[in-house]
Amino acid sequence: ETGVTQTPRHLVMGMTNKKSLKCEQHLGHNAMYWYKQSAKKPLELMFVYSLEERVENNSVPSRFSPECPNSSHLFLHLHTLQPEDSALYLCASSQVATYRAGYTFGSGTRLTVV
Amino acid sequence: QKEVEQDPGPLSVPEGAIVSLNCTYSNSAFQYFMWYRQYSRKGPELLMYTYSSGNKEDGRFTAQVDKSSKYISLFIRDSQPSDSATYLCASHGSSNTGKLIFGQGTTLQVKP
Repeated sequence: ETGVTQTPRHLVMGMTNKKSLKCEQHLGHNAMYWYKQSAKKPLELMFVYSLEERVENNSVPSRFSPECPNSSHLFLHLHTLQPEDSALYLCASSQVATYRAGYTFGSGTRLTVV
Repeated sequence: QKEVEQDPGPLSVPEGAIVSLNCTYSNSAFQYFMWYRQYSRKGPELLMYTYSSGNKEDGRFTAQVDKSSKYISLFIRDSQPSDSATYLCASHGSSNTGKLIFGQGTTLQVKP
């Protein structure tokens, strides 16, 4: 596998469920990101991990909990979500030293909260 | 005021047309600018990035930055139906954490 892989591609969950989104990168990068993409809104940064340390938490509600066990894997744990959390969740990665040259996104997980 | 603004469109052009996509930004400290292309049901893919002012060309694509007016543009020559996608402009702003600030995206349709 190459690039950035996200699973699952689609997820439907009830407001009381607990689920996790997974992201894996095969690019040798050392920074990983979670973004939220809602209809008619710009991509919103949620979390940044640099060298496995969380360096940015963009005022995200505690019902979203990230985990970065190593530089290749990133998780987003979800619990007690709201319908307005339905969106496309995108993972991305980059090299810390060259992040200004842009980063590589996965295809996203389409989340629907019912 | 949003840090990066982009007209969401949609923009519809005939095949072969020259397409101009534009963004404005608010902070004069921004120096790195990117254009991403996003096809339906896919994640964004990096098309081009530029530093400071000037032009950068890659095949049919030209990225232009005018720092004096805080304006960034992407030109597509000889547009093809395969160029139909949403185009996102972005900047790293003044953060050192890798945070990218995105515009809303412009949806482009190139009709055969």
